[in-house]
Amino acid sequence: AQKITQTQPGMFVQEKEAVTLDCTYDTSDPSYGLFWYKQPSSGEMIFLIYQGSYDQQNATEGRYSLNFQKARKSANLVISASQLGDSAMYFCAMREANTGNQFYFGTGTSLTVIP
Amino acid sequence: EPEVTQTPSHQVTQMGQEVILRCVPISNHLYFYWYRQILGQKVEFLVSFYNNEISEKSEIFDDQFSVERPDGSNFTLKIRSTKLEDSAMYFCASSRDRGNHEQYFGPGTRLTVT
Repeated sequence: AQKITQTQPGMFVQEKEAVTLDCTYDTSDPSYGLFWYKQPSSGEMIFLIYQGSYDQQNATEGRYSLNFQKARKSANLVISASQLGDSAMYFCAMREANTGNQFYFGTGTSLTVIP
Repeated sequence: EPEVTQTPSHQVTQMGQEVILRCVPISNHLYFYWYRQILGQKVEFLVSFYNNEISEKSEIFDDQFSVERPDGSNFTLKIRSTKLEDSAMYFCASSRDRGNHEQYFGPGTRLTVT
């Protein structure tokens, strides 16, 4: 089974609108971390936001927030007030405490912000 | 702000040749990683390295791959005999510790095997 599933290969959003990028995960480890990375066309991976499995509140970082629904095993990224510079690939990733250091990545969602 | 650096940014090599991809992790980080991303596909874990030895590796990381920390700053990935299917973007990453902390990624090296 896939550890991380991103079901939206491509998304479009109007500038200044909010957009939600979906991510579901699969783990039996009670301790895990969920991450979102942005990959612009230049190729680098930019860390956006982190949510720990024991965190009571949803993580927020500026315009980014993570809608963490533990029972549903989902960790959707919400980008508010989209900007043209938000156009990029977005990857959801998970790290499990029991399986060590590696990140499991999803297949990504390509976001295009329309002016 | 400290960052992970990688050289070269793009490497073209012929099938069967050896390549070495270089990375300089963030200086106070203790864990180092290599990932690869075949064009249009997801990022895949290759190997993690701690205390001068491999701590984990994936099925992709077979005998043609090796990693080394030859000095106090560099972290290298060697591919002994490249194959066409090794063409990918290779990312180095580092993290401060083993817990649930973000890994900081370098800009990547695009490897093209012809």
